[in-house]
Amino acid sequence: DAKTTQPTSMDCAEGRAANLPCNHSTISGNEYVYWYRQIHSQGPQYIIHGLKNNETNEMASLIITEDRKSSTLILPHATLRDTAVYYCILLSWFGNEKLTFGTGTRLTIIP
Amino acid sequence: EAQVTQNPRYLITVTGKKLTVTCSQNMNHEYMSWYRQDPGLGLRQIYYSMNVEVTDKGDVPEGYKVSRKEKRNFPLILESPSPNQTSLYFCASSSPGQGGGEQYFGPGTRLTVT
Repeated sequence: DAKTTQPTSMDCAEGRAANLPCNHSTISGNEYVYWYRQIHSQGPQYIIHGLKNNETNEMASLIITEDRKSSTLILPHATLRDTAVYYCILLSWFGNEKLTFGTGTRLTIIP
Repeated sequence: EAQVTQNPRYLITVTGKKLTVTCSQNMNHEYMSWYRQDPGLGLRQIYYSMNVEVTDKGDVPEGYKVSRKEKRNFPLILESPSPNQTSLYFCASSSPGQGGGEQYFGPGTRLTVT
């Protein structure tokens, strides 16, 4: 069973905020929420991660609900270069660090 | 510039001809791993290494070998490639001190075995 659930695809207008949801209702206490993206067959790119507090970096913001059962990745001002497949995954701190990507969300930025 | 490099980027070979895909990182990361990515199957881990001379199998190790003699390098060896190893391969590295889940990936190696 998939540990995270994401919409298959989304569109967003260039310059607008892109909000990508992820459900992870069975998350355990020691699991972090990580987001990666992959631009057409390039190497996956780390975006952001968090445990229970909201996080922000130069690329994006991550909002995690209080019960930790869902989260939202926010790209504040989407550009055409943000068109990619976005993956939400759960990882334990200092585990094997193996990344297992599901199908992700294919985000298309519309000019 | 912090990066993970892989070579070659593209390779077409024939069944049974031994090949090596190199991976190198310049970030002094302890952890390195190899993945393959296939349509409909997502990203699957082949082998990983927690540090020099420490390697272990991932989910799909059959037909592959690795070595970690130096911290910066983690080559992937296919002793006798077969067509089912045609895939897109990625090397990745990370440091537990930064949170092991924050991994840096190479640009990928597209391998075709005929």
